[in-house]
Amino acid sequence: AQSVTQPDIHITVSEGASLELRCNYSYGATPYLFWYVQSPGQGLQLLLKYFSGDTLVQGIKGFEAEFKRSQSSFNLRKPSVHWSDAAEYFCAVAYNNNDMRFGAGTRLTVKP
Amino acid sequence: SAVISQKPSRDICQRGTSLTIQCQVDSQVTMMFWYRQQPGQSLTLIATANQGSEATYESGFVIDKFPISRPNLTFSTLTVSNMSPEDSSIYLCSVDLRGARGGYTFGSGTRLTVV
Repeated sequence: AQSVTQPDIHITVSEGASLELRCNYSYGATPYLFWYVQSPGQGLQLLLKYFSGDTLVQGIKGFEAEFKRSQSSFNLRKPSVHWSDAAEYFCAVAYNNNDMRFGAGTRLTVKP
Repeated sequence: SAVISQKPSRDICQRGTSLTIQCQVDSQVTMMFWYRQQPGQSLTLIATANQGSEATYESGFVIDKFPISRPNLTFSTLTVSNMSPEDSSIYLCSVDLRGARGGYTFGSGTRLTVV
């Protein structure tokens, strides 16, 4: 069965430090891959997506993610975190025209 | 990206009653999806709604509890029936515009509290 794993439930980083949020998927083929952010009390905002092509994708708010087929991973990175980045981050996968499946989420706390 | 209007944005309901949530998209889409996000949890797919056919429900969700309508290519409703406090969640609709605009888009959600 398809699955999405976000190993880190909660991460705390200092403002200005770099960030990497991990995401692994379990599928027979390469799915479409997404990262969403959800601020408290808010809806989901798409940060970036990978369908095909260049395995390093750039998103909004200075985020990027790299698809690594050999590791079945799609980790999210940001070189310098801002206090406004504190939120819940969800990795998600989808196949063709099928529904999207979400990881459990990683809550990011940013220390001043 | 597409604009999805979802309403109501929030509601407080009495147990035993039903609430219908509406999702309107500003373009025609084949598939619409309904998700539930319980407090502090991730999103779980409830069902997939195609226009002109019965919705397809995920394991753990049944039509009697969560009836869905999909009367046309831009609109869908989800009803939460005979509510209990355990139904208190955020309910979100989503569409796949990958073919047209390259991505999945979510409505802003309906925050439901059952008392």
